Amino acid sequence: KQEVTQIPAALSVPEGENLVLNCSFTDSAIYNLQWFRQDPGKGLTSLLLIQSSQREQTSGRLNASLDKSSGRSTLYIAASQPGDSATYLCAVTPNFGNEKLTFGTGTRLTIIP
Amino acid sequence: EAGVAQSPRYKIIEKRQSVAFWCNPISGHATLYWYQQILGQGPKLLIQFQNNGVVDDSQLPKDRFSAERLKGVDSTLKIQPAKLEDSAVYLCASSRDRVTQYFGPGTRLTVL
Repeated sequence: KQEVTQIPAALSVPEGENLVLNCSFTDSAIYNLQWFRQDPGKGLTSLLLIQSSQREQTSGRLNASLDKSSGRSTLYIAASQPGDSATYLCAVTPNFGNEKLTFGTGTRLTIIP
Repeated sequence: EAGVAQSPRYKIIEKRQSVAFWCNPISGHATLYWYQQILGQGPKLLIQFQNNGVVDDSQLPKDRFSAERLKGVDSTLKIQPAKLEDSAVYLCASSRDRVTQYFGPGTRLTVL
């Protein structure tokens, strides 16, 4: 059974700093990995999707990497802003044709102005 | 385009009562998902529909939970009777390509 872990559960950093969020998964047989953002009272928004054959994906100030063999992914946020404050969740998909997402427990990020 | 709509946004009920949640997916999205997110945890898939057929309901507690998508568009999720441990946010998501899922704002259920 796939298990996805995110450490730390909460993180506070001053505005402007670069930061890294971590995600680990127990079964390396994945199809893709996604990073989501969740704001209080709102649904999830997909930030980045990395296929199992890819090593990283970038969108603006966000960069996600994937090391499938070690079961790890990181989300790098450059030059953090107060608007980045949210909960960040990673999720894996098991295989092609089965898009059932297994989510981690999330990291609650607070950017201090 | 309009996003995924859910109602109600909040619901408080007593244990053993019944409750229903409604979801309207993005127009044209054939796949619809219901997730349960307990406080401090990631969402867990309860049921997945492709049009009006069930693709996966392996994690749906079928003794108390039911869901339907009769015309392949809107969907309802029902809990009868509710237990304390059902307190959670219930998220609906839809997808056109079964790769990118678009989530609604969720319904926060509190069972007293």
